[in-house]
Amino acid sequence: AQTVTQSQPEMSVQEAETVTLSCTYDTSESNYYLFWYKQPPSRQMILVIRQEAYKQQNATENRFSVNFQKAAKSFSLKISDSQLGDTAMYFCAFIPDSGAGSYQLTFGKGTKLSVIP
Amino acid sequence: GAVVSQHPSRVICKSGTSVKIECRSLDFQATTMFWYRQFPKKSLMLMATSNEGSKATYEQGVEKDKFLINHASLTLSTLTVTSAHPEDSSFYICSARRGYPSYEQYFGPGTRLTVT
Repeated sequence: AQTVTQSQPEMSVQEAETVTLSCTYDTSESNYYLFWYKQPPSRQMILVIRQEAYKQQNATENRFSVNFQKAAKSFSLKISDSQLGDTAMYFCAFIPDSGAGSYQLTFGKGTKLSVIP
Repeated sequence: GAVVSQHPSRVICKSGTSVKIECRSLDFQATTMFWYRQFPKKSLMLMATSNEGSKATYEQGVEKDKFLINHASLTLSTLTVTSAHPEDSSFYICSARRGYPSYEQYFGPGTRLTVT
């Protein structure tokens, strides 16, 4: 079974600053996918960024980037130039690649990020 | 990202009645769709996984006779809460997953169910 741990229940960052949200996971799978989802107050879950475990290069999407450390089973999210619209719950998620069609996403408990003007 | 719609966004029903929630994948065919329940300030709790044309797989503790799931096409899944009770009041979210190689999963905007 897989587990995903987000050790920071809440964080805050000043607008325009950079913040890093941590995520660690535990799995015996050799290949898998990792995701960060954002859930703003509207409660719409939004895919922020995705990383395939077999890729060594860290994924980047505009102001969002990850630090993927496979050996350490760590997958942190860095948000640069934080904006007020980044205020949300952030969930780290994992899925194995063993014919992942029906496998469920395993979510962490989430980190509530507040961006302060 | 892909778009998943969910309808209705809010519903209030009386205890004992049934409510149907629709989930549509608007711009891709989803062989696998998921239904989640989310309690306030908590993570998503998977209720069931459905594959098009086959019976849904329910998570432990989820009553299949109470939460009926139909995945009739590659773009539509429905969740029917039968004989609803106040404890079924919650936020329900559907999700659709792309196939190989991305396995990206997209979520609907959720349905707030209130049973009075």
